[in-house]
Amino acid sequence: AQKITQTQPGMFVQEKEAVTLDCTYDTSDQSYGLFWYKQPSSGEMIFLIYQGSYDEQNATEGRYSLNFQKARKSANLVISASQLGDSAMYFCAMREGQQGGSEKLVFGKGMKLTVNP
Amino acid sequence: GAGVSQSPSNKVTEKGKDVELRCDPISGHTALYWYRQSLGQGLEFLIYFQGNSAPDKSGLPSDRFSAERTGGSVSTLTIQRTQQEDSAVYLCASSFRLAKNIQYFGAGTRLSVL
Repeated sequence: AQKITQTQPGMFVQEKEAVTLDCTYDTSDQSYGLFWYKQPSSGEMIFLIYQGSYDEQNATEGRYSLNFQKARKSANLVISASQLGDSAMYFCAMREGQQGGSEKLVFGKGMKLTVNP
Repeated sequence: GAGVSQSPSNKVTEKGKDVELRCDPISGHTALYWYRQSLGQGLEFLIYFQGNSAPDKSGLPSDRFSAERTGGSVSTLTIQRTQQEDSAVYLCASSFRLAKNIQYFGAGTRLSVL
């Protein structure tokens, strides 16, 4: 079963508008972490934001915020005031398991965001 | 540089040849990960190193794949007898293994097996 689901293959948004990228996850662990990465055409995976399963507040990093709804197992990324440079692939990822394990990331299939001028 | 460095950035090889991919993690990072990104499979975990602990090799797809990390720093991923299905982007990441354990990635090595 897929652990990270990103159902939107692609989205288009106008510059300066806000956009929400969807991510749902599946885990039976109580302790886990959720991440969003951006991958521009250059190929590098750029860390954007992190949400821990025990964090009560939604994470925010500048223009990025994570809408964490634990009961729905949802971790949507919100980008406010989109910029042309936000055009890229976006990946949601989850780290499961106890500390001491490998804490590898499991990624969704990604979605392509295009910001139009 | 301050980031994760991978070399080469591109590698073209013939089927059956061996290849070595290098990863230089962020200085001081104790954990190092290899992932593979391909069109059909998305991003997959390959192997993980942490300090002097035994590596987690659970993601390696076959015994043609191996990796080592020398002196707790630089890592080399070796693919023996390459096959066309090995064509992918190989990404390396490193982290401090603190509470958030944020993994920082390199730009990857694009491997093409002809």
